[in-house]
Amino acid sequence: GAGVSQSPSNKVTEKGKDVELRCDPISGHTALYWYRQSLGQGLEFLIYFQGNSAPDKSGLPSDRFSAERTGGSVSTLTIQRTQQEDSAVYLCASTELAGRSNEQFFGPGTRLTVL
Amino acid sequence: AQSVAQPEDQVNVAEGNPLTVKCTYSVSGNPYLFWYVQYPNRGLQFLLKYITGDNLVKGSYGFEAEFNKSQTSFHLKKPSALVSDSALYFCAVRDRPRAALIFGKGTTLSVSS
Repeated sequence: GAGVSQSPSNKVTEKGKDVELRCDPISGHTALYWYRQSLGQGLEFLIYFQGNSAPDKSGLPSDRFSAERTGGSVSTLTIQRTQQEDSAVYLCASTELAGRSNEQFFGPGTRLTVL
Repeated sequence: AQSVAQPEDQVNVAEGNPLTVKCTYSVSGNPYLFWYVQYPNRGLQFLLKYITGDNLVKGSYGFEAEFNKSQTSFHLKKPSALVSDSALYFCAVRDRPRAALIFGKGTTLSVSS
């Protein structure tokens, strides 16, 4: 079946502009995660959605970052007033259950470059 | 606090030789451990996981990992490396439900022919 998809695959923007990154999880997966992969920082957790529960936003680096998940499926990560340090690959993952043992399936990522 | 350490930024092996990519972790409670691989310009692919049971876990592409509780390690191994195994490998841990994965910084594996 279809895996996790993300769009766009690449995004180049100017400092100060807002960007939206989209994630389509695997159908039926109730949990969705956003991570950021940047040079020297490895993979960092940003935010997590599980069903209708309030999202875990503990990994968001600043209030310029926000995310929503509509209808329990598609998620959008929004970065306002982008800065150069926001340049990174943003990865989305989904899993069937947010249990301890279930592996997360990752999308190909969106490479964001802030000029 | 949870943490994962991958002490080697890069591992170089010759094709046909065994390979080991090291990972140590620190969590409170029982760990649930994962290995992922990332090929250039691709997302992360799941390789294997340790939940409970046998300390030796077998996964995709001939990889295996050994869980050692006393040493808090979860090293990735393969008996005979292939050039196509060259990629970036991440170890990750979670210790409770509804938790995100905590990743190591990754180890680049380079297999030469």
